[in-house]
Amino acid sequence: AAGVIQSPRHLIKEKRETATLKCYPIPRHDTVYWYQQGPGQDPQFLISFYEKMQSDKGSIPDRFSAQQFSDYHSELNMSSLELGDSALYFCASSRSNRETRDYGYTFGSGTRLTVV
Amino acid sequence: GEDVEQSLFLSVREGDSSVINCTYTDSSSTYLYWYKQEPGAGLQLLTYIFSNMDMKQDQRLTVLLNKKDKHLSLRIADTQTGDSAIYFCAEREGMDTGRRALTFGSGTRLQVQP
Repeated sequence: AAGVIQSPRHLIKEKRETATLKCYPIPRHDTVYWYQQGPGQDPQFLISFYEKMQSDKGSIPDRFSAQQFSDYHSELNMSSLELGDSALYFCASSRSNRETRDYGYTFGSGTRLTVV
Repeated sequence: GEDVEQSLFLSVREGDSSVINCTYTDSSSTYLYWYKQEPGAGLQLLTYIFSNMDMKQDQRLTVLLNKKDKHLSLRIADTQTGDSAIYFCAEREGMDTGRRALTFGSGTRLQVQP
């Protein structure tokens, strides 16, 4: 079965650079979420999109932005990178159709961002 | 605000049962999840339970929910060395609300001794 695809798997950037992470949700999933997991920490919600519109916002820094495109893939744009941005960034998708009884979130394998 | 708590570490012997506990504070939590994360890997959904259920069983996994005490547990029967990982409990509000983001616990590191 198709899963949530994230790219790249690993990314190394220098301070003050920018980074773009991509996420391709499971087909027919209408909601995409971004999470950040720092070393030894639990995942923290950043932002989500439902049907290409921002639906919820968590602890996303102002230096970060995200969008969902017409093909439902999403990109997380990170500017003025700081050392503290080094983390595993997860994308997840879900489908809101309750008739399908598919309420499980599915996470991608993550993008490991290292800022040096 | 919502808060999800887990014990940090659990060590068991291979073949024994493991019980990982989780407490949450948000009374409106409708969906509760268990995820497994191996070192450097992604989050693997193990199972989830609706708040109107008391128990759910899936092969070696049994989830128990005490909604009154806001307590969730994951029991792994016949624990194997391959079960060694960090287990995260997560909760979210119902689908009818605008918020669908998950709130995670801090994770329980399960170590299985051969």
